[in-house]
Amino acid sequence: DVKVTQSSRYLVKRTGEKVFLECVQDMDHENMFWYRQDPGLGLRLIYFSYDVKMKEKGDIPEGYSVSREKKERFSLILESASTNQTSMYLCASNGGKFSYNEQFFGPGTRLTVL
Amino acid sequence: GENVEQHPSTLSVQEGDSAVIKCTYSDSASNYFPWYKQELGKRPQLIIDIRSNVGEKKDQRIAVTLNKTAKHFSLHITETQPEDSAVYFCAAQTGANNLFFGTGTRLTVIP
Repeated sequence: DVKVTQSSRYLVKRTGEKVFLECVQDMDHENMFWYRQDPGLGLRLIYFSYDVKMKEKGDIPEGYSVSREKKERFSLILESASTNQTSMYLCASNGGKFSYNEQFFGPGTRLTVL
Repeated sequence: GENVEQHPSTLSVQEGDSAVIKCTYSDSASNYFPWYKQELGKRPQLIIDIRSNVGEKKDQRIAVTLNKTAKHFSLHITETQPEDSAVYFCAAQTGANNLFFGTGTRLTVIP
């Protein structure tokens, strides 16, 4: 059974803080993704990664960065959190480059920036 | 980039009736179209998908149809049950492995 875990289910931070969201998958997947989910906007891709130390911008990368030092771990970083980054953050992973494989999602982190 | 539009945003049906959710996409190079179901408070999960070389795919009570010429695809759920109540997302992929999602449809099945 594929397992994707995220470090926190709920997180409350102050404006200007540096925020780290961690995602770990246990299926040796090559690809990992970070989305944010907002009501009425669906899931929007922030960043994704095909391999260790590799990253690609998604649709809304502004204000975010990522790190993938190990294959199983993909971190999302908010360098200076702002209130408009209050959202649900979902991590996902799948295997195979340029493949049509199911993405497996983590449980999500609901981030509130005050 | 790809743009996926999804309608309706909310849908209520009586138990036992059918539900249809429609999506359109903009990039003719898109060739993979999955549907994800997200129950309240849970993570999205794949329920069915279709590739561009197929016009229709069925799995028990759910089916997906694809019209490449018109660039639209639809999810059909027959004999709806209360446990079908969830938010459904369509998505399109152009081969680079990243999905473009629609905005979601909240389906409510009324017992």
